[in-house]
Amino acid sequence: GAGVSQSPSNKVTEKGKDVELRCDPISGHTALYWYRQSLGQGLEFLIYFQGNSAPDKSGLPSDRFSAERTGGSVSTLTIQRTQQEDSAVYLCASSLGDSGRRNEQFFGPGTRLTVL
Amino acid sequence: GNSVTQMEGPVTLSEEAFLTINCTYTATGYPSLFWYVQYPGEGLQLLLKATKADDKGSNKGFEATYRKETTSFHLEKGSVQVSDSAVYFCALTSRGSTLGRLYFGRGTQLTVWP
Repeated sequence: GAGVSQSPSNKVTEKGKDVELRCDPISGHTALYWYRQSLGQGLEFLIYFQGNSAPDKSGLPSDRFSAERTGGSVSTLTIQRTQQEDSAVYLCASSLGDSGRRNEQFFGPGTRLTVL
Repeated sequence: GNSVTQMEGPVTLSEEAFLTINCTYTATGYPSLFWYVQYPGEGLQLLLKATKADDKGSNKGFEATYRKETTSFHLEKGSVQVSDSAVYFCALTSRGSTLGRLYFGRGTQLTVWP
């Protein structure tokens, strides 16, 4: 069975452009999380999906950031009008979504975003 | 609130040395505690976990004990190998927050020399 996959693996963009980052979770995992890993801030939570709903968006840094999930599967994180401080590795994780032992999160390899 | 503090790196050791990476936490409710590892060029992997006080998580020779009285979850290994070189993250989830949302420490870079 495949793990969590993310695309692209690397993205270089110019300041002010929009970018879309994709996450394919493990099949059957209802919970999906986005995190951001940057040198200055460490690992930060961005948003959590349960199915197609996002009950916790509290980690999104600004209204330039949005995310959606369709069909309870693929998720897209969109950053509009990118800024240099958005440069980071964006990590996606998925889990079965139950409490307790079945809620182990499995991480994808990440998308490294560089904003020039 | 929920937060994790772990010792700053980098940590450099010779092969077969003893490793300790300190981790302390604050949490609402009763957290579950985790150590994740990120090997060079790879994604985050769960190394071990403990879900209640006095539990010991262990994997690949690494151990950590959930100490509620000291709010700590220190990572230890008796004899490190070159292949243990990686970044180690202490993390927690709390019942009082979003299901499964992880709160991470800043990470500790470990380099083991032969």
